Amino acid sequence: NAGVTQTPKFRILKIGQSMTLQCAQDMNHNYMYWYRQDPGMGLKLIYYSVGAGITDKGEVPNGYNVSRSTTEDFPLRLELAAPSQTSVYFCASSSGPRDYGYTFGSGTRLTVV
Amino acid sequence: EDQVTQSPEALRLQEGESSSLNCSYTVSGLRGLFWYRQDPGKGPEFLFTLYSAGEEKEKERLKATLTKKESFLHITAPKPEDSATYLCAVRGPSGNTPLVFGKGTRLSVIA
Repeated sequence: NAGVTQTPKFRILKIGQSMTLQCAQDMNHNYMYWYRQDPGMGLKLIYYSVGAGITDKGEVPNGYNVSRSTTEDFPLRLELAAPSQTSVYFCASSSGPRDYGYTFGSGTRLTVV
Repeated sequence: EDQVTQSPEALRLQEGESSSLNCSYTVSGLRGLFWYRQDPGKGPEFLFTLYSAGEEKEKERLKATLTKKESFLHITAPKPEDSATYLCAVRGPSGNTPLVFGKGTRLSVIA
């Protein structure tokens, strides 16, 4: 049981480039989330999804886009990368709104130079 | 706006020296307070969920408690392997509301 798989683990982007952070889960969870974690700042919600075809903005959505075409996958798209997007990105999933907690992936460390 | 404040930011303990981490929250209609452990370079790992004041949960050397304004994570006789960052998160009254996280407490246990 792989849980939540994120790829790539590390990436360096140049300013203005675009990329997609991949997230896949094999637990048949309806709820999926993208957070970013900056040093000393905790986890900030970027986007989330309550099921295939349904997404909503979190606290810090600017500069990002998401889609949810299947239950398993929830990719995060960065358009026109900026240094402020340098961070560690975590994807998470849960079986429902009132459940036992999120299952997190191992993260993607992104540096924009 | 839901808020979560954790203290201290960092805590250094000798092996066997018990202590507590604090998580203060402001949320209208708490529908769950969550504790996670995060090791360096890894994603957070779920520890506990508490739903109502007076509730307690235990796991090995860890015990989480909840009041109407805060939660404590008590660490009894810690070992070096308990060193990690401990994150607290809350969920508000809406069923679909994602978790709001605190900044965490970085715990170091020295042998």
